[in-house]
Amino acid sequence: DTGVSQDPRHKITKRGQNVTFRCDPISEHNRLYWYRQTLGQGPEFLTYFQNEAQLEKSRLLSDRFSAERPKGSFSTLEIQRTEQGDSAMYLCASSLEWGGPYEQYFGPGTRLTVT
Amino acid sequence: AQSVTQLDSQVPVFEEAPVELRCNYSSSVSVYLFWYVQYPNQGLQLLLKYLSGSTLVESINGFEAEFNKSQTSFHLRKPSVHISDTAEYFCAVSVTGANNLFFGTGTRLTVIP
Repeated sequence: DTGVSQDPRHKITKRGQNVTFRCDPISEHNRLYWYRQTLGQGPEFLTYFQNEAQLEKSRLLSDRFSAERPKGSFSTLEIQRTEQGDSAMYLCASSLEWGGPYEQYFGPGTRLTVT
Repeated sequence: AQSVTQLDSQVPVFEEAPVELRCNYSSSVSVYLFWYVQYPNQGLQLLLKYLSGSTLVESINGFEAEFNKSQTSFHLRKPSVHISDTAEYFCAVSVTGANNLFFGTGTRLTVIP
């Protein structure tokens, strides 16, 4: 068990550019979550996958955001036409289906800075 | 709707002193409650959880939390803190049947030598 990994750890981009983040969950976990954490706030839920199906999306996930989990393993989160307000830490978590949402294991996060 | 309130954004405490980090939640349905810890430059780690049963739950490193349904609280306590406990602590709630966690804004615990 190598834990949840995220790549890159840091990303600096200019406003208007597209960025993509990757998350590799714990291998046997079939649930995967994305959260966003801004300075001074707790993580906020963005979206959730069970295997390859995206089952829930938060209102925070605007149409510039898209997440995929094509083979039910790793996931990507893409932000198009980035804005300064997108600057945040993007966290990925995974869990087992029968463990429920309460046994979530978090990755180290990707810190996005939009200049 | 669910919400989590952590009243103290920062808590400084001397080493070996006791500490309590407060957490209150609001929900109209049954909840599961959690404390996560985030050490500098690391990801969130589950510290302890309340799912059902005994209202007092403990972690392996000496923290404990008590679920108080009447006061809708889940305060985190430790009788004697160490320098290594310096971190950000997040209280979170999950509603039965939901698939995500709602987090509080966090409490930064700083242990002073």
